Amino acid sequence: AQSVTQPDIHITVSEGASLELRCNYSYGATPYLFWYVQSPGQGLQLLLKYFSGDTLVQGIKGFEAEFKRSQSSFNLRKPSVHWSDAAEYFCAVGASNDYKLSFGAGTTVTVRA
Amino acid sequence: EPEVTQTPSHQVTQMGQEVILRCVPISNHLYFYWYRQILGQKVEFLVSFYNNEISEKSEIFDDQFSVERPDGSNFTLKIRSTKLEDSAMYFCASSLIKDQPQHFGDGTRLSIL
Repeated sequence: AQSVTQPDIHITVSEGASLELRCNYSYGATPYLFWYVQSPGQGLQLLLKYFSGDTLVQGIKGFEAEFKRSQSSFNLRKPSVHWSDAAEYFCAVGASNDYKLSFGAGTTVTVRA
Repeated sequence: EPEVTQTPSHQVTQMGQEVILRCVPISNHLYFYWYRQILGQKVEFLVSFYNNEISEKSEIFDDQFSVERPDGSNFTLKIRSTKLEDSAMYFCASSLIKDQPQHFGDGTRLSIL
């Protein structure tokens, strides 16, 4: 069965500093990997996706993520955070033979001035 | 950019009553999904729907739940005989084809009293 682990429940980062959110997955086949962001009172917005090919993927809002098969990881990064990046971030995994997405528990990011 | 829209944003219902949550997926999408997020817990898959039938459902999606696409634009989730533990945020999602990212609505917060 698929599973997703986000080890960090809450991260606080200063505005302008870099951000890295960790995601580890467990799945028998090659997964499809996603990062979604949820701002308060909002739905889940897709930041980026990995299906195949280049293991470094670029997303919206200046985010990128790197798929590392050997580490079963798909960590999200941003070089310089903005106050508007304060939100909850979810890693999710899917597969070609599956309809559902399995989500991690989420990481809440707080940005301090 | 096309969006998935959900109504209502907040639904309060007495325990034992039936509730219908409504979604308008992105117009050219063919796959539809419902997820829920109980407060403080992970986003959980409920059901996927394609070609007017359920393609996959989780163990959560028992006889209490049903889905329907009553016309060319709406996708509904019906919950019968609601229980306190059905209180959650319910997200609708859609995708163009199965192997494409799922786009989520803003959710309906369901409160069972």
